[in-house]
Amino acid sequence: EDQVTQSPEALRLQEGESSSLNCSYTVSGLRGLFWYRQDPGKGPEFLFTLYSAGEEKEKERLKATLTKKESFLHITAPKPEDSATYLCAVQTYSGGSNYKLTFGKGTLLTVNP
Amino acid sequence: DADVTQTPRNRITKTGKRIMLECSQTKGHDRMYWYRQDPGLGLRLIYYSFDVKDINKGEISDGYSVSRQAQAKFSLSLESAIPNQTALYFCATSNNAGGAHTQYFGPGTRLTVL
Repeated sequence: EDQVTQSPEALRLQEGESSSLNCSYTVSGLRGLFWYRQDPGKGPEFLFTLYSAGEEKEKERLKATLTKKESFLHITAPKPEDSATYLCAVQTYSGGSNYKLTFGKGTLLTVNP
Repeated sequence: DADVTQTPRNRITKTGKRIMLECSQTKGHDRMYWYRQDPGLGLRLIYYSFDVKDINKGEISDGYSVSRQAQAKFSLSLESAIPNQTALYFCATSNNAGGAHTQYFGPGTRLTVL
């Protein structure tokens, strides 16, 4: 069974204090790993797609990396507006049109001014 | 204008009532999905559709049905709502280009069943 585990469940940072969120996965037939940001009561907002081990992508203060077993979302010098829940999801493929997206439960990030 | 819209945004109903949630998209994607989100359980797939004539059950389809009226419209129905269907419901879309298929989400519908 495909599993996606995110840690920590919650993280509280001071403004400017860099840190990383983790997403570990055990799946077969990985096609891609996605990071989303979700604000309270809103839909997940797409951030990144990573396709293969060693790949990195950046957007403003966020940088996502991927290995064969996990992905990290690095947050450099965060600001209060970075506070949100960050969701990781992995897409697997089992033939034909059978793509499946499995989500982790998310990390709630709070950045205090 | 938003690419993926959902109506209503909030709904309070009573046990046993029939409810329909609607999703429309202007992204031109052929694939559409319905998810529910519960605290501590994350996002779970209810139904998905790869085109107008293709409907598939997700991991938690019991108690729900869907209709794909057009490429741009996908509706979710609760035939007889029950309290444990209280949740946030999200519609998502993706295209069928090669590689990983990024899903784009709507703003959500908060449903409360009393």
